[in-house]
Amino acid sequence: AQSVTQLGSHVSVSEGALVLLRCNYSSSVPPYLFWYVQYPNQGLQLLLKYTTGATLVKGINGFEAEFKKSETSFHLTKPSAHMSDAAEYFCAVLNQAGTALIFGKGTTLSVSS
Amino acid sequence: DTEVTQTPKHLVMGMTNKKSLKCEQHMGHRAMYWYKQKAKKPPELMFVYSYEKLSINESVPSRFSPECPNSSLLNLHLHALQPEDSALYLCASSQEGRRSSYNEQFFGPGTRLTVL
Repeated sequence: AQSVTQLGSHVSVSEGALVLLRCNYSSSVPPYLFWYVQYPNQGLQLLLKYTTGATLVKGINGFEAEFKKSETSFHLTKPSAHMSDAAEYFCAVLNQAGTALIFGKGTTLSVSS
Repeated sequence: DTEVTQTPKHLVMGMTNKKSLKCEQHMGHRAMYWYKQKAKKPPELMFVYSYEKLSINESVPSRFSPECPNSSLLNLHLHALQPEDSALYLCASSQEGRRSSYNEQFFGPGTRLTVL
């Protein structure tokens, strides 16, 4: 079975500081992993995904994530936070059949000036 | 066109009303999904359609009735809802409904439903 754990329900950073959002997964098959962002009262937008190949994945808006099999992690980073990055972030893993995303509980990112 | 559209954006209905939510995509995707999202929670899967056939129903009450008239359209018919059904209803689509490297799901903006 697949599952995702997001460490820290709320992360606060200053504008210009490093953003680090943590995600650990459990999967009985090679995982397909995703990060989504959700702004207030909007749908989810795909930031990046890992399926196979290069373990460092670059996404939109300057975000990237590194797949580390030995640590079962897929942490999301951004070198310099911007006020517009304030949102809810969800890590997700595709289930074994490929029919559904299994989401973590989400991390709220706050950015202060 | 890489967009999933949903109508209406907001819906307020009484417990005796019948209403429908609509979702549309023109990306040629063959899998479409309905999710329910309560405040401060992750989306919860309700239904999956693959090649216009219902493939997954996550034990959703019968007051929610999905319909897939064609490969681009997905409806969710609502009848006799309860106040606890108030939530953001999200539609999503993906290229396929099976495990592949191209199976990311694209989400619509959602319909904010309030049941009085």
